[in-house]
Amino acid sequence: DAKTTQPNSMESNEEEPVHLPCNHSTISGTDYIHWYRQLPSQGPEYVIHGLTSNVNNRMASLAIAEDRKSSTLILHRATLRDAAVYYCILRDATGGFKTIFGAGTRLFVKA
Amino acid sequence: DADVTQTPRNRITKTGKRIMLECSQTKGHDRMYWYRQDPGLGLRLIYYSFDVKDINKGEISDGYSVSRQAQAKFSLSLESAIPNQTALYFCATSDLGESRHDEQFFGPGTRLTVL
Repeated sequence: DAKTTQPNSMESNEEEPVHLPCNHSTISGTDYIHWYRQLPSQGPEYVIHGLTSNVNNRMASLAIAEDRKSSTLILHRATLRDAAVYYCILRDATGGFKTIFGAGTRLFVKA
Repeated sequence: DADVTQTPRNRITKTGKRIMLECSQTKGHDRMYWYRQDPGLGLRLIYYSFDVKDINKGEISDGYSVSRQAQAKFSLSLESAIPNQTALYFCATSDLGESRHDEQFFGPGTRLTVL
């Protein structure tokens, strides 16, 4: 199964942009790239997903490399509420189940 | 009311006891999942079900069993609990839908301690 690799932790200042990287060099052509985050004492929540093109939503942007072997989650202005563990995962678009969460990146936001 | 609920939220039990964790959802989703989370290890999939008649093993199914009683209910059982099953357990639901990206919605978690 395809795996993702993320830094263990990152730090950001409040109201500055944050770029969270993810490597997925063994991604297959049918895999969607998903990002979830887990706030303290909560279950994970969906952030964004994409296949080939860059994506934007109200929470974040997702930049996908042309070869799809890496992606970057962009939080345009980090707030203290964005402090969480961010997971980059791959999901098979054909409906088959392939989801490995991994340890994620713990984001610290400084006021 | 929450869309995905888990009961109990916290449970302390002893080695060898049978434990059932319950999950209910009001989202009308067909797909349901059980995960466990250990410190520093992210989430690992235990079992998943794509509809009422479908049950599939995940990464770490040994020592666990599940029952999909209805579309809205998915229970996880530990037949004989052991201390290394102490963890935070999450239930999740999803619906493939037309978008086919299968966003998962997670419950609040059940913290299980096995003494």
